[in-house]
Amino acid sequence: GIQVEQSPPDLILQEGANSTLRCNFSDSVNNLQWFHQNPWGQLINLFYIPSGTKQNGRLSATTVATERYSLLYISSSQTTDSGVYFCAVTTNFGNEKLTFGTGTRLTIIP
Amino acid sequence: DAGITQSPRHKVTETGTPVTLRCHQTENHRYMYWYRQDPGHGLRLIHYSYGVKDTDKGEVSDGYSVSRSKTEDFLLTLESATSSQTSVYFCAISDYSGREYEQYFGPGTRLTVT
Repeated sequence: GIQVEQSPPDLILQEGANSTLRCNFSDSVNNLQWFHQNPWGQLINLFYIPSGTKQNGRLSATTVATERYSLLYISSSQTTDSGVYFCAVTTNFGNEKLTFGTGTRLTIIP
Repeated sequence: DAGITQSPRHKVTETGTPVTLRCHQTENHRYMYWYRQDPGHGLRLIHYSYGVKDTDKGEVSDGYSVSRSKTEDFLLTLESATSSQTSVYFCAISDYSGREYEQYFGPGTRLTVT
């Protein structure tokens, strides 16, 4: 099956800093989603981005499908950005079984 | 909020007992999924459903069964719970919207098997 690797596994930053999280995948995908799991365990949808670039406030994401990677950018980090960020992909249309990466744990220090 | 609830939210049970977790959705989504989350593994798919009475296995289906007799409910059953099934279980839904099948997750159920 498809392999999804995320880097770095852990990231500790000062409040106000910018960060880039990377997701590499081993095969062609038709769906790619970024999630934020907050410290209470809730999974929050950030982006649905199988290709191209999207922005939502301080967050943006870019997927280069031909090169099999996606990047999540967080600017001007806030303590509420802390948590684990997951990338997840599917490879079959109409049967959207997500395969998750192991996540990047982001800690923002005040 | 995609209108997904899970029950119970927390459960402690003994090895060998049957356990049923419920996922309930209020927005008539066609697809429903059960994932488990364990340290070091991210989330892994257990079973999914693509309609009433239509289900299929995921990556880690051994020891689990599912049923979907109504659109709004997707049940996950551990016939005889084992300690290796201690985990956090997430339900998800998706629907076809244009070209997208974006998945949304419920709040999770923390299950401990002693």
